[in-house]
Amino acid sequence: SYVLTQPPSVSVAPGKTARITCGGNNIGSKGGVHWYQQKPGQAPVLVIYSDSDRPSGIPERLSGSTSGNTATLTISRVEAGDEADYYCQVWETSSDRRVFGGGTKLTVL
Amino acid sequence: EVQLVQSGAEVKKSGESLKISCKGSGYSFTRNWIGWVRQMPGKGLEWMGIIYPGDSDTTYNPSFQGQVTISADKSISTAYLQWSSLKASDSAIYYCARGGLAALTGCFDYWGQGTLVTVST
Repeated sequence: SYVLTQPPSVSVAPGKTARITCGGNNIGSKGGVHWYQQKPGQAPVLVIYSDSDRPSGIPERLSGSTSGNTATLTISRVEAGDEADYYCQVWETSSDRRVFGGGTKLTVL
Repeated sequence: EVQLVQSGAEVKKSGESLKISCKGSGYSFTRNWIGWVRQMPGKGLEWMGIIYPGDSDTTYNPSFQGQVTISADKSISTAYLQWSSLKASDSAIYYCARGGLAALTGCFDYWGQGTLVTVST
């Protein structure tokens, strides 16, 4: 089965840029990588869909890109409120399965 | 406003059955897939399966096939996740989430608040 690999944790100082990666075999061919933010005690929230699009209400500081075997969520000018777990996800159309990465805990120093 | 409202927390014993629900509102319930996602304590998100309420077409994650049943009643805009015999290892938060359409196809654009299921031995 398809596997998405994320680093368990990323730390960044306020005002800096955080990059969270999501690795998967030929991930760029999966029809789009989606990203979710989950704060403690809350349900996940979609923050990036189809590699790089933002739902309404999501700040422009959050952006996504996909190339080759890696997708990246970039958070610019990081704020304390960005501290959360972030998950990548794809839809494996051949098997009609949705697959989540293991999640990355973003810590704002 | 799109909303998915899930049923409340449950405390059950091993071997008991359980059915939790997810009611959609603010959109045409039969047009979007509804997925179920498990989150065990302190762990990540796991996709369990997905149902199309329009015709009840269902796909399961093989890891959950045979362990749970996903269903939907389109007449009351509600999806369900059920167990016939719970195990302690089923203790988790369960989320329902709406599958997106068009450019959002493949992702989950709205989520329920989660249902905490606690199973004691």
